Amino acid sequence: DAGVIQSPRHEVTEMGQEVTLRCKPISGHNSLFWYRQTMMRGLELLIYFNNNVPIDDSGMPEDRFSAKMPNASFSTLKIQPSEPRDSAVYFCASTLTGGHTGELFFGEGSRLTVL
Amino acid sequence: KQEVTQIPAALSVPEGENLVLNCSFTDSAIYNLQWFRQDPGKGLTSLLLIQSSQREQTSGRLNASLDKSSGRSTLYIAASQPGDSATYLCAVLSGNTPLVFGKGTRLSVIA
Repeated sequence: DAGVIQSPRHEVTEMGQEVTLRCKPISGHNSLFWYRQTMMRGLELLIYFNNNVPIDDSGMPEDRFSAKMPNASFSTLKIQPSEPRDSAVYFCASTLTGGHTGELFFGEGSRLTVL
Repeated sequence: KQEVTQIPAALSVPEGENLVLNCSFTDSAIYNLQWFRQDPGKGLTSLLLIQSSQREQTSGRLNASLDKSSGRSTLYIAASQPGDSATYLCAVLSGNTPLVFGKGTRLSVIA
């Protein structure tokens, strides 16, 4: 399997622009997670989906952030409008849940810089 | 609310030393604990997963232990090598919440 695939790997944009990050989970996994990593705050969970349904989005910082999972093989995280404080590495991860035994697998991340 | 703490935040050791990384968590009612490795500019790679019913897991030179009652886990690295240099994170799965991560221990193994 190719693992969790994220795109773009790097994005530099200007404040106010829309940013869309993409994720393809491992085939067969039914849970998908979006994390944000910064030096100051470490890894923070933004939102997670189970069977394509958003379960907990309490980590989404503001209404500027939105996430969708239209099918089992694709998810997006959108920031509109972007701000410099959104600069971070955004990770997508997936797992096969069931009995809470799932091992979490991460993508390589999308490094976002908002100028 | 589950909180995960890793000490030390950074560690530097000479090549060949055995070392221990520590992870503590506040809520002992966990399902599992996972250790990850993160290289600079990369994603997280799963190293070991310990289920709540287990006391330890081993993979090569790595051994992770779990003591639920005291809310602690350790990652033991034997005969460290420069290639082991990375940030090591532990994460805990409990209740109905996804993994909660510590902030990691940044390890440098000096040749």
